[in-house]
Amino acid sequence: EVQLVESGGGLVQPGGSLRLSCAASGFTFSSYSMNWVRQAPGKGLEWVSYISSSSSTIYYADSVKGRFTISRDNAKNSLYLQMNSLRAEDTAVYYCARDAAVVMDAFDIWGQGTMVTVSS
Amino acid sequence: QSVLTQPPSVSGAPGQRVTISCTGSSSNIGAGYDVHWYQQLPGTAPKLLIYGNSNRPSGVPDRFSGSKSGTSASLAISGLQAEDEADYYCQSYDSSLSGSVFGGGTKLTVL
Repeated sequence: EVQLVESGGGLVQPGGSLRLSCAASGFTFSSYSMNWVRQAPGKGLEWVSYISSSSSTIYYADSVKGRFTISRDNAKNSLYLQMNSLRAEDTAVYYCARDAAVVMDAFDIWGQGTMVTVSS
Repeated sequence: QSVLTQPPSVSGAPGQRVTISCTGSSSNIGAGYDVHWYQQLPGTAPKLLIYGNSNRPSGVPDRFSGSKSGTSASLAISGLQAEDEADYYCQSYDSSLSGSVFGGGTKLTVL
């Protein structure tokens, strides 16, 4: 079964750090670009970051640029998001999502999400 | 404020047809980038519903259809069913932002 499972969320104080992980299974992880998408409580979806299959291309939303770092380990079938200098507005469910092979920028597989709460 | 604009809510009776619009600009939809649509049922992760403007992934009923014209796109749902009650999001790529952008989402209520 094709699956993405996020972990690493939790409660963190403003200014703190957190590292999210996304474990992939059921497909050839190294062949796909990946993304992080977040959803604040009661709000819509917000794309956060993109990484190509070989890690050669990386993009960030302006709202997280300079604070978040996306990375991947194809040998471990894992995607990561290092989040530093966290703010209250970063509070959200964070999803990892796979880029569809058939068309650019469509996300065909999503994880169940992991909740990040930034609060003192 | 989202880069792509959707109506906050739409509603329809069972069996009816509803459409959800998604309006962008010359740096995203109008630039020729594809539009994709997602369905998010309460408490669950989003699910890809339409990709590449009008294509359905395997398993998505043909009651769902998508179209694109100029700087806008639309999702149509015909033969409304109670299980269609969900939030729907459009998505495209924006060249000025160098990344994906989503609409604000539309809540569909089946009356």
